[in-house]
Amino acid sequence: GAVVSQHPSRVICKSGTSVKIECRSLDFQATTMFWYRQFPKKSLMLMATSNEGSKATYEQGVEKDKFLINHASLTLSTLTVTSAHPEDSSFYICSARPGLADYNEQFFGPGTRLTVL
Amino acid sequence: GQQLNQSPQSMFIQEGEDVSMNCTSSSIFNTWLWYKQDPGEGPVLLIALYKAGELTSNGRLTAQFGITRKDSFLNISASIPSDVGIYFCAGLRAGNNRKLIWGLGTSLAVNP
Repeated sequence: GAVVSQHPSRVICKSGTSVKIECRSLDFQATTMFWYRQFPKKSLMLMATSNEGSKATYEQGVEKDKFLINHASLTLSTLTVTSAHPEDSSFYICSARPGLADYNEQFFGPGTRLTVL
Repeated sequence: GQQLNQSPQSMFIQEGEDVSMNCTSSSIFNTWLWYKQDPGEGPVLLIALYKAGELTSNGRLTAQFGITRKDSFLNISASIPSDVGIYFCAGLRAGNNRKLIWGLGTSLAVNP
């Protein structure tokens, strides 16, 4: 149980284009999903917290107009990198938290490797 | 942002040896989580700890929630080559909007 998928696993795009990454909880409902960015050999950096049916909460320094997050259902959140540039190249990982009030564990997707040329 | 103090940063051991790593903080946490990340993959949850003093095992892995609520350790016994990867601790404080605070990771290499 507690499986989270991400699609695509790998994407290469030209500078200036937009890229959408999907995060799905396959066998549980996730009221909260998180989007992280990870640089090589570094820890995970939280970008935003996505709550179903409401606006995402972005961490300081993360541009909300650059990284659009939509959490339209209890099993799906999307991250759209708008007008991508080479500096946006990174490993993006989502996680999902089951909806139980005292359940603090987060389950992670396999990640999406974005390369912007 | 805030991060946990995780040590050691890296370890290179022989197959069969035991491994120990820990995380500390100046703040109190009410949940400690230990994850393993393989290259190019997302982190996989190994052990979750919810109570101070709690000692939990998962196969060859054992983790403890420190009594002071400011630290946690993870032990791996009888290491095998597939234990290679980066291990992260993560903690959750009360009233922190469910945001995990992460350690910087311990990179483990196992020599067969």
